[in-house]
Amino acid sequence: DAGVTQSPTHLIKTRGQQVTLRCSPISGHKSVSWYQQVLGQGPQFIFQYYEKEERGRGNFPDRFSARQFPNYSSELNVNALLLGDSALYLCASSRLRAQFFNEQYFGPGTRLTVT
Amino acid sequence: AQSVTQLGSHVSVSEGALVLLRCNYSSSVPPYLFWYVQYPNQGLQLLLKYTSAATLVKGINGFEAEFKKSETSFHLTKPSAHMSDAAEYFCAVSDPVYSGGGADGLTFGKGTHLIIQP
Repeated sequence: DAGVTQSPTHLIKTRGQQVTLRCSPISGHKSVSWYQQVLGQGPQFIFQYYEKEERGRGNFPDRFSARQFPNYSSELNVNALLLGDSALYLCASSRLRAQFFNEQYFGPGTRLTVT
Repeated sequence: AQSVTQLGSHVSVSEGALVLLRCNYSSSVPPYLFWYVQYPNQGLQLLLKYTSAATLVKGINGFEAEFKKSETSFHLTKPSAHMSDAAEYFCAVSDPVYSGGGADGLTFGKGTHLIIQP
């Protein structure tokens, strides 16, 4: 079975630009979560989407937004990019919403560099 | 609010030696706890999880962890290190109380880089 896939693998953007990252969950998984991992740190929770609705949000500014499509794939959008947005963006999928007892499967991530 | 502290950003052990990676958590309620491993240029892979059943949890690749409520700890161990264990290890916590409108994400520690000496 295919795992969680993310695209693109790497991305370089300029300050002030906007970026869209994409994630396809494992087949049958209805929940997608996004995490930001800054170099040298652990991942930080950004969003969770379940059944196409936002179910959880971490402590990130409104420049960050996301959506989930009917096929359960998801996009993460970041507007007005700042240098501090440079990070590895991880997508994770799970079968159900409650992530504490459902194993989350992580994708390889998208490496975003803002110059 | 929940938090995770991983003691030691880098841990170096010899091949064949015991691996001990420390994790302490802070949570208002008995938490769910996880250990993930991240190899270079890859996503995170779940090693094991504690969900209030047995306090000693066995995971993949010979790793295990013991939940100690009195010490608020969930340390990861492996009896004999292998070169392939070299990676970044993350401890994470999740509040099992379903908040409905709140964040359901995992809270991760800063990670411990495990180095295996030949």
